[in-house]
Amino acid sequence: KAGVTQTPRYLIKTRGQQVTLSCSPISGHRSVSWYQQTPGQGLQFLFEYFSETQRNKGNFPGRFSGRQFSNSRSEMNVSTLELGDSALYLCASSLGGSETQYFGPGTRLLVL
Amino acid sequence: AQRVTQPEKLLSVFKGAPVELKCNYSYSGSPELFWYVQYSRQRLQLLLRHISRESIKGFTADLNKGETSFHLKKPFAQEEDSAMYYCALKYNNAGNMLTFGGGTRLMVKP
Repeated sequence: KAGVTQTPRYLIKTRGQQVTLSCSPISGHRSVSWYQQTPGQGLQFLFEYFSETQRNKGNFPGRFSGRQFSNSRSEMNVSTLELGDSALYLCASSLGGSETQYFGPGTRLLVL
Repeated sequence: AQRVTQPEKLLSVFKGAPVELKCNYSYSGSPELFWYVQYSRQRLQLLLRHISRESIKGFTADLNKGETSFHLKKPFAQEEDSAMYYCALKYNNAGNMLTFGGGTRLMVKP
C-alpha cells in the first residue's frame, strides 16, 4: 500500500497570507490527525478527523482549521499567517480505532 | 492535563552498551503509552506500544503506573539505533490524539 502523502512538501508564505495543506491517508484509513512540529514546542496535536467529522481538537487558535472529504483525504488551513506558524506540519492516518497511526513526510511551512 | 516528559534531550552511548531512554507522564486515568522513532531522513514511525508488550528491534518498555513511567530499554545498543525517540500518550476516549514528549536524540558511537 502507498503510505501517507502530503502536499506540498515545502511552502513559503508571508505574514497575513493563508495556506492550505493536503494529506492523503493510506487507502482504507478513515482517521486523519494533524500535528505541528517546532523546535521550541515539539510535536503538538492540532486536530483529528474521522468520517468527515472533527473528533478531537488541540489547543490552537481558530486560525487553524481543517476538514475531511468523503474519500478521507484531509486539508488543513491556516489563515492570517504569523511568523510563529513556521513549522513542520505532519499528518497521520489510521483505520479509525486504536490502531497504529502512520505518519506522512510532512509539509515544511516557512512564514516570512 | 496530560503531560509527557523526556528529561534527556541527548543520550550518547557506545555500541554494545545498554540504553535507557526515560519517559514520565502525568495523567490520572488509564493511559496508552507509545514510543515513536524517527531515523535520519525518514518518517516518524511507531516503535512499540505498551499494550502489545512486545520487543521490537531489541527494545522493550514497561509501563510502571506507580512511578508513571514508560522507559525504553535495550541491553546492547547498535549504531543503527541512532535516531530521535519520542514517547507519546493517548488517554481514554481520545480517539487518536497523541501527546508527545520533547524527544530524546540517541547517538550510538562505534
